[in-house]
Amino acid sequence: DTAVSQTPKYLVTQMGNDKSIKCEQNLGHDTMYWYKQDSKKFLKIMFSYNNKELIINETVPNRFSPKSPDKAHLNLHINSLELGDSAVYFCASSQSGLAGTDTQYFGPGTRLTVL
Amino acid sequence: KQEVTQIPAALSVPEGENLVLNCSFTDSAIYNLQWFRQDPGKGLTSLLLIQSSQREQTSGRLNASLDKSSGRSTLYIAASQPGDSATYLCAVRQGGSEKLVFGKGMKLTVNP
Repeated sequence: DTAVSQTPKYLVTQMGNDKSIKCEQNLGHDTMYWYKQDSKKFLKIMFSYNNKELIINETVPNRFSPKSPDKAHLNLHINSLELGDSAVYFCASSQSGLAGTDTQYFGPGTRLTVL
Repeated sequence: KQEVTQIPAALSVPEGENLVLNCSFTDSAIYNLQWFRQDPGKGLTSLLLIQSSQREQTSGRLNASLDKSSGRSTLYIAASQPGDSATYLCAVRQGGSEKLVFGKGMKLTVNP
């Protein structure tokens, strides 16, 4: 199936731990994103990478570090997890350039719960 | 700073009604506007994307319009069905940026 996939789907962990969320897209897109959806369902962008280069970094604590080993993958590593990090994290991808082709396609989300 | 607003936050209607969902944005210098659907516990599904130069887009029972100068978009759903129940989000992409700015969404319930 062509899609944006994320692992794990659910992540429950203790405060202070370090965790990673993985994202892969097989749509051939050159741009990938991480979004955070908080408890009030408000969706906000965190990072964006284009061809493995960081192009958007939205005032996110430096405990969050995205890593893009290639343009099909964008992983999110979080150090020293805090209670406020509990949220649903969505990965997305799009193809930049031609107008009308830049629809963003979203993964199913990773629900992170920090205890 | 771009702000996107969707009012009301929730709507409950009987099956068969024609619906209009509203979205407004504060900065008209947008590149495009996208409507998404989110089902409970799921990711977002793109419904329609309107470029800044376009006035509307249609897909099946859905029609989205864009009035960039007044900072408004509407999503029209014809003959609503229970399967249309979901949260609908509007998002704008600023000119010169890859960033999407989302509204808080509108939770739609279509009752059989």
